[in-house]
Amino acid sequence: QSVLTQPPSVSAAPGQKVTISCSGTSSNIGNNYVSWYQQFPGTAPKLLIYDNYKRPSGIPDRFSGSKSGTSATLGITGLQTGDEADYYCGTWDTSLGDWSWVFGGGTKVTVL
Amino acid sequence: QLQLQESGPGLVKPSETLSLTCTVSGVSINTNNFFWGWIRQPPGEGLEWIATIYYTGTTYYNPSLRSRVSISLDTSNNQFSLQLSSVTAADTAVYSCAKMYGSATTNWYDSWGPGILVTVSS
Repeated sequence: QSVLTQPPSVSAAPGQKVTISCSGTSSNIGNNYVSWYQQFPGTAPKLLIYDNYKRPSGIPDRFSGSKSGTSATLGITGLQTGDEADYYCGTWDTSLGDWSWVFGGGTKVTVL
Repeated sequence: QLQLQESGPGLVKPSETLSLTCTVSGVSINTNNFFWGWIRQPPGEGLEWIATIYYTGTTYYNPSLRSRVSISLDTSNNQFSLQLSSVTAADTAVYSCAKMYGSATTNWYDSWGPGILVTVSS
C-alpha cells in the first residue's frame, strides 16, 4: 500500500479530459513539491510535471498539474490513444523522521 | 546527452546479495544539484523507490529496505551502485537507475536508465 493514493484506473473517450488524483498527508504532499511521471509498458518512466505544475520542455500543454493542501492532480485534456499509459505521482515524505521518496500506486489511463 | 545504463547479474540466488551498477555518461556525477537513485518495479506492479545519493555522499533510503540496502558513488568511473542483501523472490523486479535534480526546496527525477530485470531464484 503506497503512502500516496491514486485511483487504479481512469478512462475517457478520445478528445475528452481525465484527471488523476494523488492524495497524501502533511508529511509528504502537504509540505513538498509533487512531480508526475508517464510510463508505457516495458519502458522507463518519463517526467511529465515537476514543482506541482511545471512542464519540462517538450511536454504538451494538454498535460497540467495542480496541488491543493495534501492532494495533487494531473489533468490530461484532448485525450489521445497515445496517452494510454500508467501515471505516477511522487514526492518526498518525512513521516518516519528521515527523508524518503514516495511514489503513488499508479493510475492506468484507458482511452475508450 | 545524459545517459544512464544499468548493469549486473540478471539472476540472483535467494539469501545472496544483489549488486547493480549504473554508468552515467554525458554529465559528471559530481555535479551540484544532481542526485542519483535506484527505483524498482516488480512485474505487473508499481514503482518502488529504493535509495538516493547526493554527489556529496549523503544518502537516503526507503525505510522498508534500509536494513538491507546500500548505495554508493564511484566518481572515478562516473558510476553509482546498489547493493541489496538477503534477497528473496519478493525482490524480483526491474531495477532502474535515475537522475534526480534537486535544490534547497524541490526535487524531481528527470532521467532514467532503461532498467534491468533481476530475478531471484535458485
